[in-house]
Formats: sequence, structure tokens, C-alpha cells
Amino acid sequence: QKEVEQDPGPLSVPEGAIVSLNCTYSNSAFQYFMWYRQYSRKGPELLMYTYSSGNKEDGRFTAQVDKSSKYISLFIRDSQPSDSATYLCAVRFTGGFKTIFGAGTRLFVKA
Amino acid sequence: NAGVTQTPKFQVLKTGQSMTLQCAQDMNHNSMYWYRQDPGMGLRLIYYSASEGTTDKGEVPNGYNVSRLNKREFSLRLESAAPSQTSVYFCASRVSGSPSSYEQYFGPGTRLTVT
Repeated sequence: QKEVEQDPGPLSVPEGAIVSLNCTYSNSAFQYFMWYRQYSRKGPELLMYTYSSGNKEDGRFTAQVDKSSKYISLFIRDSQPSDSATYLCAVRFTGGFKTIFGAGTRLFVKA
Repeated sequence: NAGVTQTPKFQVLKTGQSMTLQCAQDMNHNSMYWYRQDPGMGLRLIYYSASEGTTDKGEVPNGYNVSRLNKREFSLRLESAAPSQTSVYFCASRVSGSPSSYEQYFGPGTRLTVT
């Protein structure tokens, strides 16, 4: 079983839609939960992170962690064509050197 | 600041050839990483260097070697390239020593094709 599972998509939505991206993880000891955004032919960039559980909001983006079900979510409100990218969830232990990435979900937002 | 730089951007090799991918960061980060990214597989860790002078295997180290030349530079070597090593390679760096230093900064990637 992979430590982080993520549906690769692709996911296609119309402009203005609410997007929900999800991951599940297997090890309850993970404490850092991150979302990276990767545009085509570019390196990933950190979009959001949460520590332990709960929600974090930044503009149109909300990251949510449910540790009881080992579920990570990223919500994008009022999606824009510029949000078209691959979104990778990632987890790591406190103090650890390694980050474990999901497979990434390709998102297309149509104008 | 250039951040994380990688050379070359593209490379085509024949089976059995060798090459070295170069990575440098100017952010004074302690930890550096090499990943490969394949469709549907996400980012898989090849090797990492927690600090200058140390290197450790990641998830998929076979067929690769690394050198942490100094604090800035971390190179990845393919001694005898195989078609299975066709991939996009990313170098990343991170501040370490603090539990909250979660963010990795990635380079632009090297697209490698082995024929």
C-alpha cells in the first residue's frame, strides 16, 4: 500500500466551479500536510500547508486535514483558468528529512 | 537569488552512456534532494543529503549515485543509463534543523530520455 494515495485525474471543471482535491494517507504519525502546485514543465511550488489537523484558508484556497480518517483535502473556490495545473499532496513527520508525495491530480479549468 | 538551478534542461542518452545532472542552490539550505517524476507515479525520492557531507538512499536509488560537493551543490550520476531511467528529474532543497522547516524549493527539472 502506498503511503499517500491520490487520484491522478484528470479533473476538468468550468470556470467559477468549486474544486475538491483529495488524498488519503496510511501512517497516523504524519504531522505535516502540504499541497504543492505544479504548472506544466515547471517544478512544484508549495501552495499551502497545515500542521496536525484542522483547516487553513488562504484566499480562494482551503486546506483541510481529517486525522481520524487520514484524509487530506484542498478546496478551490471560484476556480480560474490560471488554476489549471497538477496538484500534489505531500506528508511528512515532524523532524523528518523526507517528504512523501502523492501522484498528483491534473486539473483543467475551462474558460 | 536564483533559488535552485539545474543543468542541463534536456538530455538524450543512448543505453549504457553515463551522465551527471548538476544542481545548485543559493539559499544556504542544509538539505538537498533528488526526485524523479513519472506519469501516474508522482515524485519519487532517489537520494537525499540531510546536510553537507552526508547522503542517504531514498525510495528508488538503484542505478544512481550522488555527490554532495559542498553546501550549495548536489549532483546525480547515471553510470550506465537504461530506458527505465527516462524521466523528469527534479532537485530540491530545504532548510533543516527546525521542525517547522517543511517547505521544499524545487528546481525547473531536467528532462532525460534514454533510447
